[in-house]
Parts: sequence; C-alpha cells; structure tokens
Amino acid sequence: GESVGLHLPTLSVQEGDNSIINCAYSNSASDYFIWYKQESGKGPQFIIDIRSNMDKRQGQRVTVLLNKTVKHLSLQIAATQPGDSAVYFCAENPPGSARQLTFGSGTQLTVLP
Amino acid sequence: KAGVTQTPRYLIKTRGQQVTLSCSPISGHRSVSWYQQTPGQGLQFLFEYFSETQRNKGNFPGRFSGRQFSNSRSEMNVSTLELGDSALYLCASSLAVNGANVLTFGAGSRLTVL
Repeated sequence: GESVGLHLPTLSVQEGDNSIINCAYSNSASDYFIWYKQESGKGPQFIIDIRSNMDKRQGQRVTVLLNKTVKHLSLQIAATQPGDSAVYFCAENPPGSARQLTFGSGTQLTVLP
Repeated sequence: KAGVTQTPRYLIKTRGQQVTLSCSPISGHRSVSWYQQTPGQGLQFLFEYFSETQRNKGNFPGRFSGRQFSNSRSEMNVSTLELGDSALYLCASSLAVNGANVLTFGAGSRLTVL
C-alpha cells in the first residue's frame, strides 16, 4: 500500500531573526542528546550536543536547552542565515545503548530573504 | 581529513535481488553504525559494529546484515529486496572513546527497488 510520509513540522523565519526548533524526546533515562542538520542530498551533520547533567550549552550561533522535567529539547539559532535552511533532527541516546541514536521526525527550517 | 565515504551513492535494483553497500569511516574511528532513512519512518537504527563485532541491532528483519573489517570499513547487505527497502542508507562513524557518541554521517546510498 501507499506509505504515508512523516508530517514534518515546518518553521519559516526571516533572515537575521532568531529561530527556535523544539523537540520532545521519549526516554526519560536518555543521558545524551544531539542536534543534527540535514541539507537536501546530504547526510545529517552534527550541530551541537548536550549531556543530561546540563540544561544549556552554547556553540557558535546555536544554543541547546534541555528540560528533563518535560522531556523537551530546543535548538536556538541566532541571526538565522539562508544557509541554515535544512531539516533539523534531535536525537537521544538511551543509557546502555552504546552509539544507537533514536531520532525525532525532524523540523524543516526555511529562511526567507 | 576525509569524512565518511559511502559507495555507491545511487543504485537501482529489482525485487528479489540483493545489494551490498560500503562504508569507509573517518580514519581512526572504530565504530560504524548504519541507519535507514525513509519518508514514512524517518531515521531508524539498523546496527552498529565496533572492532569487527556487532554491538547493537535495530528492529529489522534478518534480510539486513552487515559486517566490519579489520580496517574498520563496513558493509551492509540486504537480501531478497522488497519495494519497502527503497531508502537512503546512512553510515556513521564514531571514535567511541570514553563514551563519546558523536556520530559523523556519510552522504548516504540511495537505494531504489523496482
């Protein structure tokens, strides 16, 4: 039968504005989280990671916030640029699963000129 | 420093055939993981190899298999292909030292099953 595609949340922002991409994770015991960016025709590219003993981590133009109480992650991108247009995935690494990541369904970010 | 290299980038097969995909990890990386990406299911973990041993396996049928060689290069094989196996197959490598779990992905192998 016909497969139904995942409904990708979409986010459109004006160039220069800040973007906030949200993600709900599933396993309350997960101790490591990563954000990836995937451009069309490419594999996922690492953006930033955070361990469960932290609630905030900053990188270059990006900040990840972790709220373990509600199992929520967010990725903030400052001064969004056209090159930031991509699908963004959060991924969690449950304890004891080595390097097995569970990915969210992704958010399509479009930067408007 | 070369990234993760996957070959072939694109291939077309017919139902019932088998396919072998190859992955060369970043030099020095000992862990190789494979993921399947489809519009319907998103990114799903297939298996992980470390030092030529399968460490984890996802929820896929036995038609999906893999191996890792002594130089850390890895291959995955899908036998008796089905239409639903059409997907982007992604390989990722990791240093796998002190619990570091950052995976670096290749560009993927796009498999179309007709």
